[in-house]
Amino acid sequence: EIVLTQSPGTLSLSPGERATLSCRASQSLSSSYLAWYQQKPGQAPRLLIYGASSRATGIPDRFSGSGSGTDFTLTISRLEPEDFAVYYCQQYGSSAWTFGQGTKVEIK
Amino acid sequence: EVQLVESGGDLVQPGRSLRLSCTASGFTFGDYTMSWVRQAPGKGLEWVGFIRSKVYGGTTEYAASAKGRFTVSRDDSKSIAYLQMNSLKTEDTAVYYCHRYHFWTGPDHWGQGTLVTVSA
Repeated sequence: EIVLTQSPGTLSLSPGERATLSCRASQSLSSSYLAWYQQKPGQAPRLLIYGASSRATGIPDRFSGSGSGTDFTLTISRLEPEDFAVYYCQQYGSSAWTFGQGTKVEIK
Repeated sequence: EVQLVESGGDLVQPGRSLRLSCTASGFTFGDYTMSWVRQAPGKGLEWVGFIRSKVYGGTTEYAASAKGRFTVSRDDSKSIAYLQMNSLKTEDTAVYYCHRYHFWTGPDHWGQGTLVTVSA
């Protein structure tokens, strides 16, 4: 099973600041099958990024994904009030998909 | 409009069985892999299992926690995916989500989830 480790656990930032979230895989991901989600309390996860760097339909361009192999990054260029939430990475390149434990982005 | 609606969540006793349904609309259901993910109260997301489209053999894969107890199936004629859960344990208590997956669009659309509570 591929283990995904997200860091930091919590990120305290102010609106307008840049957020950089990390996701590290225990082994190299084939073809960058890595997704990022945003989840707010009481809601289903919302796909932001798939294929490590492709934005999902309707996702603002302040969200961007990068990385390959074992190291991946989600960047939010300028935090909007609605961006404060929990973010998860997921790998879907093996037969057993897995999620990271999540990073909470909170208002400083 | 793509929609996925989970149903079947309930309060059940340990050791009992439950079947969840994920009813799809707004897209060609048979073209997609269908997956189940759960989230225990206050915890993170945990992948449960998926079933590939018939084009890819309609085969299934499961997380270790689900293997042997849970079964994912699909009825393409009704656009429904199922999660059969047997020998339920208290630790299976969670909101269960279904979502679709395709190579070109990733794991994009998710349902709103259905709550399963396993308690005596």
